[in-house]
Amino acid sequence: QVQLVQSGAEVKKPGASMKVSCKASGYTFTSYGISWVRQAPGQGLEWMGWISVYNGNTNYAQKLQGRVTMTTDTSTRTAYMELRSLRSDDTAVYYCARHVMTAFDYWGQGTLVTVSS
Amino acid sequence: DIQMTQSPSSLSASVGDRVTITCQASQDISNYLNWYQQKPGKAPKLLIYDASNLETGVPSRFSGSGSGTDFTFTISSLQPEDIATYYCQQYDNLPSFGQGTKVEIK
Repeated sequence: QVQLVQSGAEVKKPGASMKVSCKASGYTFTSYGISWVRQAPGQGLEWMGWISVYNGNTNYAQKLQGRVTMTTDTSTRTAYMELRSLRSDDTAVYYCARHVMTAFDYWGQGTLVTVSS
Repeated sequence: DIQMTQSPSSLSASVGDRVTITCQASQDISNYLNWYQQKPGKAPKLLIYDASNLETGVPSRFSGSGSGTDFTFTISSLQPEDIATYYCQQYDNLPSFGQGTKVEIK
């Protein structure tokens, strides 16, 4: 069955960087894109960006341009999302999701990242 | 960027009630509209894709309709396990989500 398993919770200081991993199984990794979505405490869902696993093309939300990088490693079937220059308002649960056509059909379990001094 | 206006932000209904949530896009998005259910502490779950298609394994009491700018999500008979927050999501160019609707049992 399709599974996306994310790395564990992290605590970061303001100005630091974070990198969350998302290991896929149960499907042909290169046939689907991966999107990243975050959710601040008590808030709604925010799409962060997308990467084509097939060719590495990316598309990032404008507000995160310059701070976010999404990559994949097809040898380990793992997607990565790096966010730099962290601020307190980056505190959120970060999700990876398999991207099929216009929807996100499978999601990781989420990774809580807390940014605090 | 396309803005999604979802309403209401919360609702309370009785078991067995019909529940309706609406989502309005700031511009025509054809049928590129999906609906998700999120239970507390869990990842969202895709329920409806392309406005009206039921994802495999999702109960038939969930349905969606609409096209262009106006969309509706319906639970025909609310069940206790449907307590969750529901989000619409558009994908005309870059994805974006509605603000969410928290559904509670009266």
